[in-house]
Amino acid sequence: GQQVMQIPQYQHVQEGEDFTTYCNSSTTLSNIQWYKQRPGGHPVFLIQLVKSGEVKKQKRLTFQFGEAKKNSSLHITATQTTDVGTYFCAQGQNFVFGPGTRLSVLP
Amino acid sequence: GAVVSQHPSWVICKSGTSVKIECRSLDFQATTMFWYRQFPKQSLMLMATSNEGSKATYEQGVEKDKFLINHASLTLSTLTVTSAHPEDSSFYICSAREAGGNYGYTFGSGTRLTVV
Repeated sequence: GQQVMQIPQYQHVQEGEDFTTYCNSSTTLSNIQWYKQRPGGHPVFLIQLVKSGEVKKQKRLTFQFGEAKKNSSLHITATQTTDVGTYFCAQGQNFVFGPGTRLSVLP
Repeated sequence: GAVVSQHPSWVICKSGTSVKIECRSLDFQATTMFWYRQFPKQSLMLMATSNEGSKATYEQGVEKDKFLINHASLTLSTLTVTSAHPEDSSFYICSAREAGGNYGYTFGSGTRLTVV
């Protein structure tokens, strides 16, 4: 079935630096969802992207869906310690999650 | 917003015993719920799709006789780990989506199972 890959696997940043995680698929995706999981917690839905080239923003978070609908990115501007956690992309169609990017923010 | 309650949040059981985990949608009806398993520092692995009033659909490699799923009502799905072994120790999470909602899936708080 369809698989999604994410890079990087880990990212350590200094507070205030930007952060980006990328989600890639070998096949066209009908839609993609992003989730955040805090350490010890459960995944929390952030957003869904459906349209080719779509860009959505949530405060310091910017989500993009590629023109070919095979990749997506999540960019965080000026990270804060509250951004710590693992960010997963997931296919909304078959509920398969990417491996996630674990973000650490150093104060 | 949509809330999914999962119980228990953690459980320790002896090898060979069975453990039941409940997943409830508190303020919406869920004809479909999903069960995931997550090992430490790894992603969520979809185990099965629970369908109200019918048999669950299991992912490849997941033993249906070991992980029994029952979705008897529109607000409750249960996962029973039968004859548990230490290798079954993991974090089990359910999720559901509210029809007409914002398209995202709401997750339960998860159940940490330890088999000793």
